[in-house]
Amino acid sequence: DQQVKQNSPSLSVQEGRISILNCDYTNSMFDYFLWYKKYPAEGPTFLISISSIKDKNEDGRFTVFLNKSAKHLSLHIVPSQPGDSAVYFCAASAIYNNNDMRFGAGTRLTVKP
Amino acid sequence: DTGVSQDPRHKITKRGQNVTFRCDPISEHNRLYWYRQTLGQGPEFLTYFQNEAQLEKSRLLSDRFSAERPKGSFSTLEIQRTEQGDSAMYLCASSGRGGNYEQYFGPGTRLTVT
Repeated sequence: DQQVKQNSPSLSVQEGRISILNCDYTNSMFDYFLWYKKYPAEGPTFLISISSIKDKNEDGRFTVFLNKSAKHLSLHIVPSQPGDSAVYFCAASAIYNNNDMRFGAGTRLTVKP
Repeated sequence: DTGVSQDPRHKITKRGQNVTFRCDPISEHNRLYWYRQTLGQGPEFLTYFQNEAQLEKSRLLSDRFSAERPKGSFSTLEIQRTEQGDSAMYLCASSGRGGNYEQYFGPGTRLTVT
């Protein structure tokens, strides 16, 4: 069962513009959410996270928004840079079982110069 | 380099053979995880260790799969009698103590079963 969904397999954005990556989840027990970035031939790299007690977390150019009622989160990258081109995975876990982290299928972001 | 390391990076084996992968976590991390990733999918949880104890296993982990972490440091994942469906990227991750939920991944071992 796909409890974390990333419905856009790919996204193309011009350098300097905003990139918005979306993620939906179905399990209401999830209360901790993470974004990972993956370059080819490398493992996923932790990017940013948010717990369910917040609706926004910002780290430099990266901001994650959480809408609990809609079971939706998004990652905003502003401004986008060519080096941001990678596959982005959304992940979710529950405090009671934070070891079983569920990942979406990923969105491939391409930032064009 | 103090990140998570995995060995080998690539493994090609014939169906029916046994393979073993190794993961060395970040040294101060007590939690270690194994995932499998197939093309076009995100990582899927396989199993989890806290120190040397294997505390959780996914139903994806069939009887042909076994994982160990004998001294609470490095871990091995063995697949016996490999099948073509085992072809995937096997990822290892580690995380720290307490409420640190961020898992740090190694580069993965790509397994191809012919």
